[in-house]
Amino acid sequence: DGGITQSPKYLFRKEGQNVTLSCEQNLNHDAMYWYRQDPGQGLRLIYYSQIVNDFQKGDIAEGYSVSREKKESFPLTVTSAQKNPTAFYLCASSRGLGWNQPQHFGDGTRLSIL
Amino acid sequence: AQKITQTQPGMFVQEKEAVTLDCTYDTSDPSYGLFWYKQPSSGEMIFLIYQGSYDQQNATEGRYSLNFQKARKSANLVISASQLGDSAMYFCAMRDKGAGGTSYGKLTFGQGTILTVHP
Repeated sequence: DGGITQSPKYLFRKEGQNVTLSCEQNLNHDAMYWYRQDPGQGLRLIYYSQIVNDFQKGDIAEGYSVSREKKESFPLTVTSAQKNPTAFYLCASSRGLGWNQPQHFGDGTRLSIL
Repeated sequence: AQKITQTQPGMFVQEKEAVTLDCTYDTSDPSYGLFWYKQPSSGEMIFLIYQGSYDQQNATEGRYSLNFQKARKSANLVISASQLGDSAMYFCAMRDKGAGGTSYGKLTFGQGTILTVHP
């Protein structure tokens, strides 16, 4: 089945540690996105990528980094510079960046501080 | 100003009844898309329905329909014949060019409405 796979489902970070969240899609979508969701809140955009080797900052990019070396993969690294990383992280993809393109989401990764 | 406003933090409905979840939006872009997503307690975001700014008719997908009133900038979700499995958080979202007017990269989400379906 086509879809978006995020791993791991749960992740714990120690102080000063970088952690990487995985996102893989087999929908042949060009565009991929990372969102952060805090309890009881909507989603906020961290980074997005329209094509391989290109990505743009979203509203809350500070303390995060991404790469897009393959069309299928868009990993997110939460760096030690992100002082409040505890949140639910959702990866999404869409065919393109058109305003009529729905984004489809993975199941998310819950990140907590140890 | 909020771009997407969902004024109902929580809604209750009896099983088999219809329910309307409110959403108003704000944009100056003539081309935009409006989307509704369902988020069960497990966390995944499920795409439900889409309405484009140029669409003349209200969108429908099974038990979901969108009451699109462009002049009022509202895009309310109507769920008919509610089921227990409809209990979840529902988000309204919009895709427009946003600040700077260069890209449709972002979905802007509202704060969500928690729907509880009673048996």
